[in-house]
Amino acid sequence: QKEVEQNSGPLSVPEGAIASLNCTYSDRGSQSFFWYRQYSGKSPELIMSIYSNGDKEDGRFTAQLNKASQYVSLLIRDSQPSDSATYLCAVNMNRDDKIIFGKGTRLHILP
Amino acid sequence: DTEVTQTPKHLVMGMTNKKSLKCEQHMGHRAMYWYKQKAKKPPELMFVYSYEKLSINESVPSRFSPECPNSSLLNLHLHALQPEDSALYLCASSPSSTGGYGYTFGSGTRLTVV
Repeated sequence: QKEVEQNSGPLSVPEGAIASLNCTYSDRGSQSFFWYRQYSGKSPELIMSIYSNGDKEDGRFTAQLNKASQYVSLLIRDSQPSDSATYLCAVNMNRDDKIIFGKGTRLHILP
Repeated sequence: DTEVTQTPKHLVMGMTNKKSLKCEQHMGHRAMYWYKQKAKKPPELMFVYSYEKLSINESVPSRFSPECPNSSLLNLHLHALQPEDSALYLCASSPSSTGGYGYTFGSGTRLTVV
C-alpha cells in the first residue's frame, strides 16, 4: 500500500475557479500534514501545514484534514496562472521522524 | 530569498571527479536533510542530521558521503558518481528532527554526471 497517494494529474482549472487537490495517507497515527508547491526546475516551497481536523485558511489557500478518513486536501480559490505548478502532499508519519512525500499533482490554470 | 542556501546551483562532473555540495542555514534549526529529486518524481530522502549527528541514512551508496561540520552547515561529498546520479539535490532544514514542523528547502544543486 502506497503511503501518501495523490492523483498525478494534470489537473486543468480555469482562471478564477477553485482548484481542489486531494491526498490520502496510510498511517492512521500521522500527526502533521503539509502542502508544498514546486515550480518546474525549482525547489519545493511550504505553503500550508495542518495538524488538527478541520479547515485552515491562509489567503487564497485552504487546507482540509479528516484524520478519520485519512484524507487531506488543498483548495485554491480564485486560481491564477501563477498557481500552475506541482503540488506535493507530505505527511509526518507517526512511526518515525521522516516526512513522506506523495508523487505530486500537476496543476495547470487555464488563462 | 530562501533561508537555506545551497552552492553551487549547477554542477557538471565526470565519473572520476570528487566534488562537494554545500548547504547553510541560519534559522537555528537543529535538523538538516539531503534529498535527491529526479525529474517528475517526489523528493527522495538520503540523509538526516539531528543535532549534528547522522540519524538516518536511507541506504545511500557510499559514493555519497555527508558531513555536518556544525549546526549551520551541511556538506555532501561526491566521488565516483554514475550518470544515473544526475538529479536535483536538495538541502532542507527543520526546527526539530521529528519532522513535525515541515521543512524549509534550499534552492537546490542541479547535478549532471558525464
